[in-house]
Amino acid sequence: AQKVTQAQTEISVVEKEDVTLDCVYETRDTTYYLFWYKQPPSGELVFLIRRNSFDEQNEISGRYSWNFQKSTSSFNFTITASQVVDSAVYFCALSEANRFNAGGTSYGKLTFGQGTILTVHP
Amino acid sequence: KAGVTQTPRYLIKTRGQQVTLSCSPISGHRSVSWYQQTPGQGLQFLFEYFSETQRNKGNFPGRFSGRQFSNSRSEMNVSTLELGDSALYLCASSSHGESTDTQYFGPGTRLTVL
Repeated sequence: AQKVTQAQTEISVVEKEDVTLDCVYETRDTTYYLFWYKQPPSGELVFLIRRNSFDEQNEISGRYSWNFQKSTSSFNFTITASQVVDSAVYFCALSEANRFNAGGTSYGKLTFGQGTILTVHP
Repeated sequence: KAGVTQTPRYLIKTRGQQVTLSCSPISGHRSVSWYQQTPGQGLQFLFEYFSETQRNKGNFPGRFSGRQFSNSRSEMNVSTLELGDSALYLCASSSHGESTDTQYFGPGTRLTVL
């Protein structure tokens, strides 16, 4: 069965510091998709990035960057020069390729990690 | 394009009652998934609907049910509420519910069971 582990429960940094959020996943599928979501205090999960298992290129979007390494089953997320507005709970999630088996389908199912609470102090 | 909307945003019920939550997906999206978020268990998948059919179900008791209408709007129902059902219920929509699709979430319904 699939599993996502975010070992860091809480991280506290001061503004302008760089911070890396760790995500380790387990899956038996060779085709799968990884996601990062941000949950601000309002509660809505905001999509940040999607990466498929065949694309190990790192990605940078502004102050955000992601490092995907299949060899270590990790998909880490770095915020450069953090800001107070980055304070939120961040979730890593896994989606497996749809299949039909004795265990049922995987349609519409994301498996989430426990989340990392990031607090950025001014 | 309007995002995913959920109503009501907050709900207070007592044990034994039943509750219905509503979700309107992004226009054009046909798949709706529901999740329960609690401090102890985190985010857990409840079920997924596509074209009015439930295609996938998480590990929740039969008290949790849902349906989808022809306009892709979805409702979930919890009967005989228990204290442990207090949670944030999030709905997400995607175009087809495929693993390649990105799920976009609504603001959630916070249910408190007294």
